[in-house]
Amino acid sequence: DAGVTQSPTHLIKTRGQQVTLRCSPISGHKSVSWYQQVLGQGPQFIFQYYEKEERGRGNFPDRFSARQFPNYSSELNVNALLLGDSALYLCASSQIADWGLYEQYFGPGTRLTVT
Amino acid sequence: GQQLNQSPQSMFIQEGEDVSMNCTSSSIFNTWLWYKQDPGEGPVLLIALYKAGELTSNGRLTAQFGITRKDSFLNISASIPSDVGIYFCAGQPPSSFQGAQKLVFGQGTRLTINP
Repeated sequence: DAGVTQSPTHLIKTRGQQVTLRCSPISGHKSVSWYQQVLGQGPQFIFQYYEKEERGRGNFPDRFSARQFPNYSSELNVNALLLGDSALYLCASSQIADWGLYEQYFGPGTRLTVT
Repeated sequence: GQQLNQSPQSMFIQEGEDVSMNCTSSSIFNTWLWYKQDPGEGPVLLIALYKAGELTSNGRLTAQFGITRKDSFLNISASIPSDVGIYFCAGQPPSSFQGAQKLVFGQGTRLTINP
């Protein structure tokens, strides 16, 4: 079975530009979450989407936005890029259990470099 | 907000030695997950823990969910070269079913093995 896939693998952008990152979850998973991982740190939660609706948002500015499509794939958009946005962006998919407990499976990430 | 303190930050051991790392927090968590991340890749799920006091094994890996729900540990027995990497603990804070099911990550433990 295919795992979580992300594209592109690497991306180089200039300050002020906009970027769109894409994610396809594991087949059968309806929830997609996005995380930002700065070098040397653990991933930080950005968004969770379930059934095409935003479930939650981390402590990130409004320059960050996302959406989920009917096939459960997702896009993360970042506007007005700053140097500090340089990071590995990870997508994770999961099933949702009624009791709220779940396991998240991560994709390989997109390495974004802002110059 | 919730924070996880993971220790040690790094470990340098001989092949065949046992490894122990842990995560602590001042907040309670509903789920504890342990991931391994290799350079340039996304985190790979190793073990998931769902109940306070739960002890779970996966091959040479053993992890426990602390009774207070504020801590967890991971042990690796008889380490081998492929165990090299960064290990992250992650906790899911309590939230309603309609709330975001985010993960809070520790800072990671970098494991280096001398052959």
